[in-house]
Order: sequence, then C-alpha cells, then structure tokens
Amino acid sequence: DAGITQSPRHKVTETGTPVTLRCHQTENHRYMYWYRQDPGHGLRLIHYSYGVKDTDKGEVSDGYSVSRSKTEDFLLTLESATSSQTSVYFCAISEFSIRRELFFGEGSRLTVL
Amino acid sequence: DAKTTQPNSMESNEEEPVHLPCNHSTISGTDYIHWYRQLPSQGPEYVIHGLTSNVNNRMASLAIAEDRKSSTLILHRATLRDAAVYYCILRDPNYGQNFVFGPGTRLSVLP
Repeated sequence: DAGITQSPRHKVTETGTPVTLRCHQTENHRYMYWYRQDPGHGLRLIHYSYGVKDTDKGEVSDGYSVSRSKTEDFLLTLESATSSQTSVYFCAISEFSIRRELFFGEGSRLTVL
Repeated sequence: DAKTTQPNSMESNEEEPVHLPCNHSTISGTDYIHWYRQLPSQGPEYVIHGLTSNVNNRMASLAIAEDRKSSTLILHRATLRDAAVYYCILRDPNYGQNFVFGPGTRLSVLP
C-alpha cells in the first residue's frame, strides 16, 4: 500500500472556524491532490500540486487554499468553514500525474455545524 | 467531453466472471481510459488503465472497443472482496490534472 496518511480522520467543527487537513506521503511522489466526495457528485478535484510550492486550482476550489512547503506534505485549509464544506476529503498522490495511477488516502470526514 | 456512462448497479455470483461496461462515445484520441474502484469507507483504488489495446494486470482485464467508444472491465473470478463501486473515468479537458468521476457501477457479489 502507498504510504499516505491523512489527518485528522474525523473532525467536527463550527461554521466560521478555520480548518486544516493534512496529507502526508512517504513515497516521494511529485503530484498530490485534494478531492472531496459528496453524495450525488462523486469525487471532485479541489486543488492539486505538481511540486514544492507549485499548486493549481481544481473544479471546486472556492473557499479552499492549499500549501506544499515539503514534498511529503500537502495541506488543505478552509479559512472559514461553512456547512456546504461538510464532506469526505481524499488526498491522492501520483508519481507521473493522472496519466498513471493515483493512490488515495483513507479519507477525512469533516462535519461543519 | 469527458463524460462516461455506466450502469448504476450490477450483481454477480462469487467465483464467476464479471463484465462491467462503460460508454465513452466522445473520448478524445489521446485520452486513456482509467478504472478505479472504491470499497466501503475507503478511498478509491486504482484498477487498470489503457489507451487502445486490451490490457491485463493481476486485478483485472480491460477490453477496449476498436473505435474506443466503449470499454469493458473484466474481473475473471469475482470474490466477496470485489464488492465495490467501480468508476470508469477520463481526464477532464478543462483541468488537465483532473479526472471526471461519475456515479460509477455498484457491484454486489453474492456468495
């Protein structure tokens, strides 16, 4: 199994509070991704990174920011959480971008009350 | 358009082959067809991908139509562990690093 760790795995927070999810990899893969999964929408890309300090937006990036200061860590931040951001968040990594396989983490379930 | 069409659900008996179909009639000439699956309460897991030729790996086989407008994922002997949602996906033309995940096919395996 690919070495991907997401933390926290479960979090309950209140509207308006900041939240940071962490994705840590031990594979030294170049590409890292954050997806969210909601009933009726499947998985949707939030942001991705193609190297240290190199990030780009996905299709649902509004309300989210990311940072990657080290190869192994990709942080997803909700500056001011809203109830619409209640979701399951998955981190994925890839050595050669989506043209090859993605390896997904176990997911982080976030509930915003 | 990177949309794919799959049946919502399928059933199979344990130890029998399973053929999961996928239509992608508007696929571009250079796009790979990817299959992932998601077991309950887990992240998606890579199964297989291909461009034009049929592909085999330890998990499954991928049969791609000659016109590339459809493909079939073949599980040669279904096990209970293969019960999952199977996604046939293409790259999103609007975001080069994105896959377009649809609802997938929920496969049930009966003992």
